Amino acid sequence: EAQVTQNPRYLITVTGKKLTVTCSQNMNHEYMSWYRQDPGLGLRQIYYSMNVEVTDKGDVPEGYKVSRKEKRNFPLILESPSPNQTSLYFCASGFGGRSYGYTFGSGTRLTVV
Amino acid sequence: GQQLNQSPQSMFIQEGEDVSMNCTSSSIFNTWLWYKQEPGEGPVLLIALYKAGELTSNGRLTAQFGITRKDSFLNISASIPSDVGIYFCAGPEGAQKLVFGQGTRLTINP
Repeated sequence: EAQVTQNPRYLITVTGKKLTVTCSQNMNHEYMSWYRQDPGLGLRQIYYSMNVEVTDKGDVPEGYKVSRKEKRNFPLILESPSPNQTSLYFCASGFGGRSYGYTFGSGTRLTVV
Repeated sequence: GQQLNQSPQSMFIQEGEDVSMNCTSSSIFNTWLWYKQEPGEGPVLLIALYKAGELTSNGRLTAQFGITRKDSFLNISASIPSDVGIYFCAGPEGAQKLVFGQGTRLTINP
């Protein structure tokens, strides 16, 4: 089944403890992206990647890192999480270009206390 | 960056009613997308619009690309309980980024 898989689905952590949210897609998509969803703000892009080893900042990149060593994986790293990073995170992938029908993962709900 | 404003922010309707929502932008878009997010899931693409004035249907859903290219509309006819969710409009900013509206939360009373 074609899908974007995120792990974990839920995570509660403490301020300052490094964490990684994994994202994997099995559709051979070039483009991958991370979004965060907060009430009243819709989805805001954190980082995106147009291909292996090519990443760029979105609208809200502060406090996050990403890497794209393989085409299928695009992990989101929080080196020192803070409470304002409590949010619902989505990974998305697609073929890019004018094909904007991105496929989203099921989300990771992160709470930083 | 560009901003998309969705209206209304929430809707409470009776099953069987028709639904209309819209999305406006401060600048021109060449593509409009409508997504639906169900509880506990990620957004799923419903309809994509690529030309000003275009009217596209997907079952009971109909979306239109506004003539000014600064707005889009989504209509749902004869709503059913499974239409519940948050509906997002989105448009591309640059080559590889989607900008999303704040969403319209739809609640249906059976």
